[in-house]
Amino acid sequence: QKEVEQNSGPLSVPEGAIASLNCTYSDRGSQSFFWYRQYSGKSPELIMFIYSNGDKEDGRFTAQLNKASQYVSLLIRDSQPSDSATYLCAVGWRDQLIWGAGTKLIIKP
Amino acid sequence: EAGVAQSPRYKIIEKRQSVAFWCNPISGHATLYWYQQILGQGPKLLIQFQNNGVVDDSQLPKDRFSAERLKGVDSTLKIQPAKLEDSAVYLCASSLVQGGDTDTQYFGPGTRLTVL
Repeated sequence: QKEVEQNSGPLSVPEGAIASLNCTYSDRGSQSFFWYRQYSGKSPELIMFIYSNGDKEDGRFTAQLNKASQYVSLLIRDSQPSDSATYLCAVGWRDQLIWGAGTKLIIKP
Repeated sequence: EAGVAQSPRYKIIEKRQSVAFWCNPISGHATLYWYQQILGQGPKLLIQFQNNGVVDDSQLPKDRFSAERLKGVDSTLKIQPAKLEDSAVYLCASSLVQGGDTDTQYFGPGTRLTVL
C-alpha cells in the first residue's frame, strides 16, 4: 500500500514569516513529487514539482527533496494572506499520483 | 490554451437517483483521470483513461459507477443509483504524457455533488 502522509494542520503562520509544509512517502522507488495548492471550494492547482534530491526554488516557493529519508517539503517565504489554503503533496507512481490528505495553512495578518 | 472543462458545477439529487458528469480535457492530453474528493481528504482516483482505453479502474465502485471516454477526448462519469456517501466533489484531470511516466496533472473546476 503506497502512502503519502501529511500533517492535517491547521498550520498557523504570521504574515511575512516562512511557512514549512512537510510530507513523507512510503514507496522508496518514487521518482517525482508534486505540490498542489487548493483553495476552499476550488480544485487543486500545481505549485511546483521536484525530481532530484536537494532544493528547487520558484519565486517565494522552495521544494526540498530527501529521497534517503523519503521526505519532501515546501517552504513559502514572505507568507501572504493569499497563501492561506490547503497544500496537497502528491507522489508519482507510474503515470498516477498518490495523494496526501493535505495540510491546511492559515496566514495571520 | 483552454483548461480542463467540467459540467455541471453543482448537482443536488436524492438517493437512488442517477447523475452524470462531463469532462473535456486539455487538447492533446492523452490521459484523463476522474477523482472523488471528500471534504478534508486528498483526491481518490476512480478511473484512469489513456486515449479511449481504461488503464486503472480498481477503485471504481462498478456496481453503481460507470465511465467512458469515447473517441479519446471527452469523458462522462455516471452514478446510478446514488447513495448518501457519494456526496463529494468529482474532479477531472488530464495529463500530456502517456505510458509509464508521471506527468503534471491539470484539474478542471470540479462538480460538487450533494445526495439527499
